[in-house]
Amino acid sequence: GESVGLHLPTLSVQEGDNSIINCAYSNSASDYFIWYKQESGKGPQFIIDIRSNMDKRQGQRVTVLLNKTVKHLSLQIAATQPGDSAVYFCAENMGNFNKFYFGSGTKLNVKP
Amino acid sequence: GAGVSQTPSNKVTEKGKYVELRCDPISGHTALYWYRQSLGQGPEFLIYFQGTGAADDSGLPNDRFFAVRPEGSVSTLKIQRTERGDSAVYLCASSLSPGGFTEAFFGQGTRLTVV
Repeated sequence: GESVGLHLPTLSVQEGDNSIINCAYSNSASDYFIWYKQESGKGPQFIIDIRSNMDKRQGQRVTVLLNKTVKHLSLQIAATQPGDSAVYFCAENMGNFNKFYFGSGTKLNVKP
Repeated sequence: GAGVSQTPSNKVTEKGKYVELRCDPISGHTALYWYRQSLGQGPEFLIYFQGTGAADDSGLPNDRFFAVRPEGSVSTLKIQRTERGDSAVYLCASSLSPGGFTEAFFGQGTRLTVV
């Protein structure tokens, strides 16, 4: 995704609906990806990761999909809850150490 | 505590002053990272330590920024002659090993405001 400075892309969903957050990554050599959740005033929190030899990985209520052909990553959250409201970042690296490149983030707003 | 601890949580300083930001990583984590996050943006890599040595400092914006980790645990990020553009949240993270495919745990950050 492109950088939008102070104006983060925002996704508004109704409580109980499924959410899909998308991310375009930049480096075709990247082989490890993480989705982070960041609540206001807190540091990023790990949600789920995926290696480049996979195209799908599931966790509890979350699924990450990786399409290497178009360098696209998505995070699916099932049955979205108010506690899921936060900014979500995708991060990529080339697997040699934890030097991650973060996207600009998407703000998820869950309406009760 | 069990997580990464950063102090202070907030720091206001005058332009031109020197500041130090501290990070206590998770016990036993050999790898430590500093990131900087400007408002509305994702974190940007600054520097990575493996043990006591800076393995990659390519993200430090200029020579006013310096970081140390003398005993391979606590790290201090030092900023000289602060400028208003240095205002941001400075995040520290640590991981069990430096290799890829391992989760990095972040602290809550230090919000630096230069006035």
